[in-house]
Formats: sequence, structure tokens, C-alpha cells
Amino acid sequence: TQLLEQSPQFLSIQEGENLTVYCNSSSVFSSLQWYRQEPGEGPVLLVTVVTGGEVKKLKRLTFQFGDARKDSSLHITAAQPGDTGLYLCAGGDSNYQLIWGAGTKLIIKP
Amino acid sequence: DSGVTQTPKHLITATGQRVTLRCSPRSGDLSVYWYQQSLDQGLQFLIQYYNGEERAKGNILERFSAQQFPDLHSELNLSSLELGDSALYFCASSVGGDRSNEQFFGPGTRLTVL
Repeated sequence: TQLLEQSPQFLSIQEGENLTVYCNSSSVFSSLQWYRQEPGEGPVLLVTVVTGGEVKKLKRLTFQFGDARKDSSLHITAAQPGDTGLYLCAGGDSNYQLIWGAGTKLIIKP
Repeated sequence: DSGVTQTPKHLITATGQRVTLRCSPRSGDLSVYWYQQSLDQGLQFLIQYYNGEERAKGNILERFSAQQFPDLHSELNLSSLELGDSALYFCASSVGGDRSNEQFFGPGTRLTVL
């Protein structure tokens, strides 16, 4: 059974600080996606990475896919209160299914 | 706006009852997924349909069932409801059959069982 472990489960930091969220597995994925979910709303796709070692930037967010396509990280620079939410990673397996991490709940305090 | 619609937005019912949740996927998407999310929890995958056929099953209870119709909209039926079924239910859609399997989520249905 493929599993994706996210860490930390919960993170509360001050506005302006940097942070990194990790998504790790012992399995290889064909793709890795990051979603952000705000309370009471559906998750919104932020990025998809498909190539080992790939790095994508979305304004202050930097996403990296591990060389072996087993892990990924999300780094936020100078966090803002608007970054608050639940961050979910999901890995694509060989059957076109997504394996979901449990999520990282991020709170950015003004 | 993801292009995925779900109705109703909120649903309040009693234990033992049956409800139906409806989802319309994005135009052109063939796959529909159903997820359950309890308070402060991650997403629990329930079931996937692709072009009218069941494609994958997750942690779906026997009291729950789903189907996808020829026009590609989907319904999730929940019966003999229990207090623990109270949760947010999300529908997502994707093109289907592609390597990245990017999913686009609807706004969800909040089910409260009293």
C-alpha cells in the first residue's frame, strides 16, 4: 500500500517567517500535486510536478519534486496571513489514482 | 471557480434517513471522484467513476453508493445515516486517463446528521 506522509501536521508561525512542508513516501509516483484548502471550501490545485528534481515557483511558494520521485517539499517565503490553510500533497500512482497525504494545517499570525 | 458544481450546499437530516448528493463535473472531464472530510481531517477517498463506469473504490461504506449518469453527472447516495456520517462531502473531476490526474474540486456539501 502506497502512503504519503506529510510533516509537520500543524504549523503556526508569524507573518514574514519562512517555512517548509514535507511530503514523503517509500513509493515512486508519476506525479506529485499540492493543493490548498481553506475552511469549508474545496481544495484548490496549486501545482503539479512530474519530473524528478523538478522545481516550480508560484510567487512566494517553491515546490520541489525529489530526484527519485518519492518525496516533495513546499517552501513559503515571507509567509502572509493569506497563506493560512490546509496544504495537501497527493501522489499519482501507476493506475492514475491519487494517494493523499493527511495534510499540514498552516496558520500565519499577523 | 473550478467549474465543478455540487448540490445541495448544506443538508441537515436525522439518523436513519437517506440522502442524495449531486455533482456536475467540469465540461469535458470524464472522471468523477467522491471524498469525505470530517472536521479537521484530511480527505478520505470514497469512489471514482470514469465515463459511467466504476473505476476505483476507497473507504466507502456499504451504506453508501454512487453512480455516474450518461451526461456524466454523478450522485452519491448515503443511507441509514449515522451521527458519524456528518462531514463535508466533496466531488472532484478530472480529464481521466492522464498521467498527472489533476483533480478539480467542487465547493462541497456539508451534511449534518442529528
